[in-house]
Amino acid sequence: EIVMTQSPATLSVSPGERATLSCRASQSVSSNLAWYQQKPGQAPRLLIYGASTRATDIPARFSGSGSETEFTLTISSLQSEDFAFYYCHQYNKWPPSFGQGTKVEIK
Amino acid sequence: EVQLLESGGGLAQPGESLRLSCVASGFTFRNYALNWVRQAPGKGLEWVSSISPIGVSTYYADSVKGRFTISRDNSKNTVYLQMNSLRVEDTAVYFCAKSFVTEADAFDFWGQGTMVTVSS
Repeated sequence: EIVMTQSPATLSVSPGERATLSCRASQSVSSNLAWYQQKPGQAPRLLIYGASTRATDIPARFSGSGSETEFTLTISSLQSEDFAFYYCHQYNKWPPSFGQGTKVEIK
Repeated sequence: EVQLLESGGGLAQPGESLRLSCVASGFTFRNYALNWVRQAPGKGLEWVSSISPIGVSTYYADSVKGRFTISRDNSKNTVYLQMNSLRVEDTAVYFCAKSFVTEADAFDFWGQGTMVTVSS
């Protein structure tokens, strides 16, 4: 099983600042990586797939980069609605696996 | 508009069974793989099971293999998760999620989830 490790566990950011979240895979997942946003009591929402392609209706302030084992989700200027949990997900190899999540909180 | 609506959750005792359902609308159901993902209280996301568009191929996490069965009825736009021999550690919100296309893919739409509590 591919282990996905996200860092940091918690990221404290002021509104308007840039947030950089990391996700590392224990072996190569090529570009078969997705990012999701989840707010308390809600379902996850797909933000990024294919490591760098924004999903439909996702604002341009969200961007993804990386390949193989190292990936980054960047939120260029945090808005109030962006404070949430973020999960990476590899779908390159069975079984699919998620990172443990990063909580983005207001500083 | 794509919608996924789960049902069937509730309280069960260890060893008992539950069947979850997920009714889909807003897309051509038979063309897409479907998945179940769970989230224990206060924890992260855990993939549980996937099924191919016409139901020929199924996949399971080791933690549920032999106890859970995924199936689908394309005439009813519904995917099921039969959960037998439930354990306390199966307690979670269970989400139904649509694959982008295939079984090995990102999950582009999610239901709101149904809570399963296993407790004596």
